[in-house]
Amino acid sequence: EIVMAQSPATLSVSPGERATLSCRASQSVSSNLAWYQQKPGQAPRLLIYGASTRATGIPARFSGSGSGTEFTLTISSLQSEDFAVYYCQQYNNWPPLTFGGGTKVEIK
Amino acid sequence: QVQLVESGGGVVQPGGSLRLSCAASGFTFSTYGMHWVRQAPGKGLEWVTFIRYDGINIYYADSVKGRFTISRDNSKNTLYLQMNSLRAEDTAVYYCAKGISTDWYDGSFDYWGQGTLVTVSS
Repeated sequence: EIVMAQSPATLSVSPGERATLSCRASQSVSSNLAWYQQKPGQAPRLLIYGASTRATGIPARFSGSGSGTEFTLTISSLQSEDFAVYYCQQYNNWPPLTFGGGTKVEIK
Repeated sequence: QVQLVESGGGVVQPGGSLRLSCAASGFTFSTYGMHWVRQAPGKGLEWVTFIRYDGINIYYADSVKGRFTISRDNSKNTLYLQMNSLRAEDTAVYYCAKGISTDWYDGSFDYWGQGTLVTVSS
């Protein structure tokens, strides 16, 4: 099973600032990596797939990068609606599909 | 637009059974793989099970193997999850999720339902 580790667990950022979230895989997942955003009481929403492709309707301030075992989600200028929990997920070698533990982006 | 609507959650005693449904609309259900993903209260996401568009390939997480059964009825655009021998640790919100592409092995999810809460408690 591929283990996904996200850091930091919590990120405190001021509106308008840049946020950088990290995700590491226990073995290479190539570019088969997705990012999801989840707000309280809501279902997750797909942001990025293929490590760097924005999903339909996702603003350009969200970008993904990386391949192999190291990945980054960058939010270039945080908006109020971006404060949420973010999860990475690998789909290179499954089952099982595996998620990271999440990074909570909170208002500083 | 794509819609996934789960139903069937509730409170059940340990050892009991429950059947979840997910009604799909807004896309050609019979051409996409479908998943169930769960989230225990205050915890992260856990993938539970997958069924290929034609029902031929089915996979389960080890935590539910032998207890849960995924199925689909393409004529009714509906996904199911039969949960037997339920345990306290199965308590979670259960989401159905649509595979992103017709390449069935692409295991990312582009649409999720709103979730249904399953509580296993005596």
